[in-house]
Amino acid sequence: RKEVEQDPGPFNVPEGATVAFNCTYSNSASQSFFWYRQDCRKEPKLLMSVYSSGNEDGRFTAQLNRASQYISLLIRDSKLSDSATYLCVVAPPALIFGKGTTLSVSS
Amino acid sequence: NAGVTQTPKFQVLKTGQSMTLQCAQDMNHEYMSWYRQDPGMGLRLIHYSVGAGITDQGEVPNGYNVSRSTTEDFPLRLLSAAPSQTSVYFCASSSGTGLEAFFGQGTRLTVV
Repeated sequence: RKEVEQDPGPFNVPEGATVAFNCTYSNSASQSFFWYRQDCRKEPKLLMSVYSSGNEDGRFTAQLNRASQYISLLIRDSKLSDSATYLCVVAPPALIFGKGTTLSVSS
Repeated sequence: NAGVTQTPKFQVLKTGQSMTLQCAQDMNHEYMSWYRQDPGMGLRLIHYSVGAGITDQGEVPNGYNVSRSTTEDFPLRLLSAAPSQTSVYFCASSSGTGLEAFFGQGTRLTVV
């Protein structure tokens, strides 16, 4: 079983849609959780950290359920510029990445 | 700030050749790591280091060596290149384990 598993996607949504990505992790000792974004053939970049209390950054909301070992990312009012691959990441000691979920937003 | 710099950006090797992928960071980060990314496989950890002189294996270490003689540099050596090592390689650094990682732009390696 892979340490971090994500919805395989791809997700194809129209502009303005709300989309949710899910992720589960297997190591109950994991302490840090993130969502990274990767544009085609580019390096991954941090989108947001994920906290147990849940956190929001503009149109993006991340949730963590430690008991279920489940992480989610909600994107509201999708923009064309949100088209990318979203990577679920857990740590430590190293950052372990899920395979990613591809989002395509169309006009 | 340069951040994390990887060289070269592109490389073609013949099977059996050896080479070193360079990674340097100017943020005084203790933690550095190497990943490879293949289609449909996501980023897989090759080796990582929590400080100068300390390295450890990740998920896919076979065929690769690393060393960490300085805080700034973390080179990845391919001992005898194989076609299965064709991939995009990313180096990353962070100020600590479990903290935000900053990535280099990647090295696209083809082994023929």
